[in-house]
Amino acid sequence: GDSVTQMEGPVTLSEEAFLTINCTYTATGYPSLFWYVQYPGEGLQLLLKATKADDKGSNKGFEATYRKETTSFHLEKGSVQVSDSAVYFCALGRRALTFGSGTRLQVQP
Amino acid sequence: DADVTQTPRNRITKTGKRIMLECSQTKGHDRMYWYRQDPGLGLRLIYYSFDVKDINKGEISDGYSVSRQAQAKFSLSLESAIPNQTALYFCATSDFGDYNEQFFGPGTRLTVL
Repeated sequence: GDSVTQMEGPVTLSEEAFLTINCTYTATGYPSLFWYVQYPGEGLQLLLKATKADDKGSNKGFEATYRKETTSFHLEKGSVQVSDSAVYFCALGRRALTFGSGTRLQVQP
Repeated sequence: DADVTQTPRNRITKTGKRIMLECSQTKGHDRMYWYRQDPGLGLRLIYYSFDVKDINKGEISDGYSVSRQAQAKFSLSLESAIPNQTALYFCATSDFGDYNEQFFGPGTRLTVL
């Protein structure tokens, strides 16, 4: 069956550092891939998505590229801010979403 | 007003009690979902519904039931709550054909003592 594996957190960075959160998936075919973000005390919000191989999703300075050959969808941001502190979930979409376990990001001033 | 609302936002109950969590949406979406979130496990699918007459079990449906009362309403019930059902519960909606991009409610924190 489908599965998503994310790097464990927490990830602690200083402001303006480069961010990478690794995500790999196991699935047949070409499911859609998503990154969701959860700020403290809130529900999940869609951050970005990619619907086919080699697509790059981007939003708010975050990017992720759908890599079929490595079954990966790593999240990157060139310069993080304190306001980016949150939990990030990689997800795979078919009839419903299959989530990774989440990665907590803490950005220090 | 929020597009996806959940009630209650917090609930503490005792083992063996029946609990209902409610979800309403104003997005006009046909598809609705219930997930639970546990620390370190991400979100896991409990039930989903693609229209009023369609109900499907998810990965962890045991101990739960659902009712789709209308396009906009999808309720989750715990017939006899147990402590390991203590979790954060999320409702979500999506439109048909939108690559399953889902919109989430704020969550219900349920504690079973």
